[in-house]
Amino acid sequence: EIVMTQSPAALSVSPGERATLSCWASQGLNSHLAWYQQKPGQAPRLLLYATALRATGVPARFSGSASGTKFTLTISSLQPEDFAVYYCQQHNNWPWTFGQGTKVEIK
Amino acid sequence: EVQVAQSGAQVKKAGESLRISCQGFGYSFTTYWIGWVRQVPGKDPEWMGIIKPGDSDTRYSPSFQDHITISADKSINTAYLQWSSLRASDTAIYYCAILVGAIYYWGQGTLVTVSS
Repeated sequence: EIVMTQSPAALSVSPGERATLSCWASQGLNSHLAWYQQKPGQAPRLLLYATALRATGVPARFSGSASGTKFTLTISSLQPEDFAVYYCQQHNNWPWTFGQGTKVEIK
Repeated sequence: EVQVAQSGAQVKKAGESLRISCQGFGYSFTTYWIGWVRQVPGKDPEWMGIIKPGDSDTRYSPSFQDHITISADKSINTAYLQWSSLRASDTAIYYCAILVGAIYYWGQGTLVTVSS
């Protein structure tokens, strides 16, 4: 099973600041990585797929990148609606697996 | 436009059976993987299993393999997640998610509450 490790577990950021979230995979993913945003009481919302492609309707302030088995989600200028939990998820090998999430909190 | 519709909330007792459903529209139902995700409130989501309706290729996560059954009915574009004997620990929200190419489309979730 591919283990996905996210860091940090929580991140305190002021509105307007940049947030950088990391996700490490225990083996290569061939870009088969997605990022989700989840708010309380809601289903996960797909933000990025194939490592760096924005899903429909996702603002350009969300971007993704990869270097080997390290994946990064960057939110360039945090807006009030961006405070949430963010998950990475791989679908290169079954079982597909999520990271343990990063909670982005208001500073 | 791909749309995903899940069945409604269920309240059951431990030991009872249950089947919940997920219907997909707006894409080739038989071609793409449909998966089920469990999320216990306050916890991280977990993939339980996936099915490709065209050939019924089904895969289970080891954590769930002996406790659930995933199936699909191509004639009505519907996938199912079922339990023959529920446990209180099955209380959770269950999401279905359809992987079309590299894009996931998620249902709204089905809350399953199991009392002991």
